[in-house]
Amino acid sequence: GENVEQHPSTLSVQEGDSAVIKCTYSDSASNYFPWYKQELGKRPQLIIDIRSNVGEKKDQRIAVTLNKTAKHFSLHITETQPEDSAVYFCAAIKESGGYQKVTFGIGTKLQVIP
Amino acid sequence: KAGVTQTPRYLIKTRGQQVTLSCSPISGHRSVSWYQQTPGQGLQFLFEYFSETQRNKGNFPGRFSGRQFSNSRSEMNVSTLELGDSALYLCASSSGQANWWYFGPGTRLTVT
Repeated sequence: GENVEQHPSTLSVQEGDSAVIKCTYSDSASNYFPWYKQELGKRPQLIIDIRSNVGEKKDQRIAVTLNKTAKHFSLHITETQPEDSAVYFCAAIKESGGYQKVTFGIGTKLQVIP
Repeated sequence: KAGVTQTPRYLIKTRGQQVTLSCSPISGHRSVSWYQQTPGQGLQFLFEYFSETQRNKGNFPGRFSGRQFSNSRSEMNVSTLELGDSALYLCASSSGQANWWYFGPGTRLTVT
């Protein structure tokens, strides 16, 4: 089955700096890669996603890159702010015949220091 | 639209008991998936339902079961509870389009 590894498990950055979280996946058939942000005590919320036919996607301060050959994808947050502090989860989804198989990474706890 | 709701929000059970958790998806969503979240293991997939049929199942023992009703509401049952079942149980719903999954607030289960 699919295996998703996420690094680092914790990350501390100064406000204004950039943060990068990386995920690797094992199943080359996975074709959709969302990222979720979970603030303390709240539910995970989708923040950005990328499909396997795209190499990069950007939404204001956040961007996601995908390298299909190497089977890894990364979340980039620029100009970090204290409200970016949260746990971030990557996921790899395989769609096949109308079915979806979702595998999450273990999560990265990001702390932005004011 | 109202978001995904889960009941109860908090639950305390003792070992050996069984528990049923409920999830109401966003109106119009027919897919519901369940996850167990623990500090050490992150988000682990339990199962996914679509139109009352289980489409996918994660690597959990048979003590974990679920079902989906015709109105897309879903229930998850855990029998013979163990201490290690203490976790936040999240459900998520999707319309199936664009693969966007929306999470509920979770049910915090504590097994003593």
